[in-house]
Amino acid sequence: EAGVAQSPRYKIIEKRQSVAFWCNPISGHATLYWYQQILGQGPKLLIQFQNNGVVDDSQLPKDRFSAERLKGVDSTLKIQPAKLEDSAVYLCASSSPLGEGSYGYTFGSGTRLTVV
Amino acid sequence: GNSVTQMEGPVTLSEEAFLTINCTYTATGYPSLFWYVQYPGEGLQLLLKATKADDKGSNKGFEATYRKETTSFHLEKGSVQVSDSAVYFCALMKTTGKLIFGQGTTLQVKP
Repeated sequence: EAGVAQSPRYKIIEKRQSVAFWCNPISGHATLYWYQQILGQGPKLLIQFQNNGVVDDSQLPKDRFSAERLKGVDSTLKIQPAKLEDSAVYLCASSSPLGEGSYGYTFGSGTRLTVV
Repeated sequence: GNSVTQMEGPVTLSEEAFLTINCTYTATGYPSLFWYVQYPGEGLQLLLKATKADDKGSNKGFEATYRKETTSFHLEKGSVQVSDSAVYFCALMKTTGKLIFGQGTTLQVKP
């Protein structure tokens, strides 16, 4: 089966600019996650969707980050305006069913964002 | 709250040496535990998992045992290869499916 698709693979922007990342999960996976991985750290969950509803966005900096999953399939994560500390790899993952991620939890290759 | 602590790296070993990467966790209840690996230039891959106390996860010669009494999930391999050089992440999973990762341990294996 096809994996989790993410684009772009790399992005360089200046601070205060905006950027958007796209994720297409594995077909049929109801749960979609966005993680942020800062260099030298483990990934941290930003937001979790179940179909097109938000399950957890407690660590999403809502003043600058937003995410949506219209139609419960692919998802977009946006940063506006970007700060230097947003430089990181943004990982998308999907799983099914909710809570049993170990049986289908798959990560995409990520988008590496550099803010200069 | 829930958290995962790993030994700091980098860990540098010679080929065929024994590997241990320590991992301890703090959690409410009994989470599932995982080891993920990230090879250079690649994405995160599940290495092994354990879902309850005393379970042993194993894959590709790596093993880890879920120790409830010591809240640990140490990763071991009897004989490492150069191809095992990567960053290893210990993680726990909450019932919602959220993964909480440790900071990662870099393993460098020299021929």
